Amino acid sequence: SQKIEQNSEALNIQEGKTATLTCNYTNYSPAYLQWYRQDPGRGPVFLLLIRENEKEKRKERLKVTFDTTLKQSLFHITASQPADSATYLCALVAGAGSYQLTFGKGTKLSVIP
Amino acid sequence: DTEVTQTPKHLVMGMTNKKSLKCEQHMGHRAMYWYKQKAKKPPELMFVYSYEKLSINESVPSRFSPECPNSSLLNLHLHALQPEDSALYLCASSQVGLRNQPQHFGDGTRLSIL
Repeated sequence: SQKIEQNSEALNIQEGKTATLTCNYTNYSPAYLQWYRQDPGRGPVFLLLIRENEKEKRKERLKVTFDTTLKQSLFHITASQPADSATYLCALVAGAGSYQLTFGKGTKLSVIP
Repeated sequence: DTEVTQTPKHLVMGMTNKKSLKCEQHMGHRAMYWYKQKAKKPPELMFVYSYEKLSINESVPSRFSPECPNSSLLNLHLHALQPEDSALYLCASSQVGLRNQPQHFGDGTRLSIL
């Protein structure tokens, strides 16, 4: 069966360090992968998208990698700040012609001052 | 502030009530979505509308009835809900025609069934 796994339910890191979140998938051949941020009581907010033929994408302090051989995406936040504390969700669109997103369970990141 | 507006923010209803959730976007998006999210779980897709027509129904019980009256509005009509239907209901929108489009979410309606 198809699975999207975000290995850590929660991750605590010290302010200023780099946070690395992992998203693994099985039995998908995704055309692209998206990362969202969700704060308590709010809807998810889109952060970054990476295509299957891209190895890496950056936006300010955020970096996403996509390894279709390992079936894994890594999401990095450099120089983390307490304001980065939130739940981060990876999401896949599977298959040509589809725009239906399936989300991983998310990783709750806490950045400690 | 989000560009997708959902009303009401909170709704408490009995199992015999009929109510509606509303969603509005003015970004010109022609795909709109309803998701259900339980506590500490990811959003789960319920319905997809494309060009105001229902294109995906993820085997949702008939007590949930979606409606897309025009390209900016999406409703979810609720009737005879069960306590397990208590959740955060999220609306989202995106462009169609290009597969790599992000979805824009509202902040949801927190629904409690008594």
